[in-house]
Amino acid sequence: DIQLTQSPSFLSASVGDRVTITCRASQGISSYLAWYQQKPGKAPKLLIYAASTLQSGVPSRFSGSGSGTEFTLTISSLQPEDFATYYCQQLNSYRITFGQGTRLEIK
Amino acid sequence: EVQLVESGGGLVQPGGSLKLSCAASGFTFSGSAMHWVRQASGKGLEWVGRIRSKANSYATAYAASVKGRFTISRDDSKNTAYLQMNSLKTEDTAVYYCTRYYSSGWSFDYWGQGTLVTVSS
Repeated sequence: DIQLTQSPSFLSASVGDRVTITCRASQGISSYLAWYQQKPGKAPKLLIYAASTLQSGVPSRFSGSGSGTEFTLTISSLQPEDFATYYCQQLNSYRITFGQGTRLEIK
Repeated sequence: EVQLVESGGGLVQPGGSLKLSCAASGFTFSGSAMHWVRQASGKGLEWVGRIRSKANSYATAYAASVKGRFTISRDDSKNTAYLQMNSLKTEDTAVYYCTRYYSSGWSFDYWGQGTLVTVSS
């Protein structure tokens, strides 16, 4: 199975900060990568698909980039509602996998 | 409005069986692949498996951790997907989500609210 490694696993930041989360794949996955946001007790929410396409309704402060084995999710200016856990996901192989998650907390 | 509603979760003993349902509405269910994802308490997301549409021969695929024990099926006449779980282990304890596969974007665009399965004696 393709392994996804997110870094950092934990991130402390302040409202207004610019933050970047990295997701590295154990082998090339082209652009078959998605990003999700999950808040406690809730289902994950799709933010970015095809590595860099913003899902409808998602604020433009979220952006994604990368291809092959290295990908990033950037939040340009953190808002209070952005404090959550973020997951990357690869859909290149028939056995889909997720990264371990990045917990973003308020400093 | 797209809705996915899971049901059927509960407490089951190790070695037992449980069948989860996912009732879909608001989209053309018969044309969509459906996936199941689970999350143990305080842990990350784990893909469980999927079933494709009739046009793709209802093909299924499973995570190695559940292959041979879990079976995904669907009834397009009822707009419902199912996850049959047999030979349950304590490590299968998790919230189980059904999701819709967004074929144009290679992602899961809609998720249910989840149903809790607890495997314990």
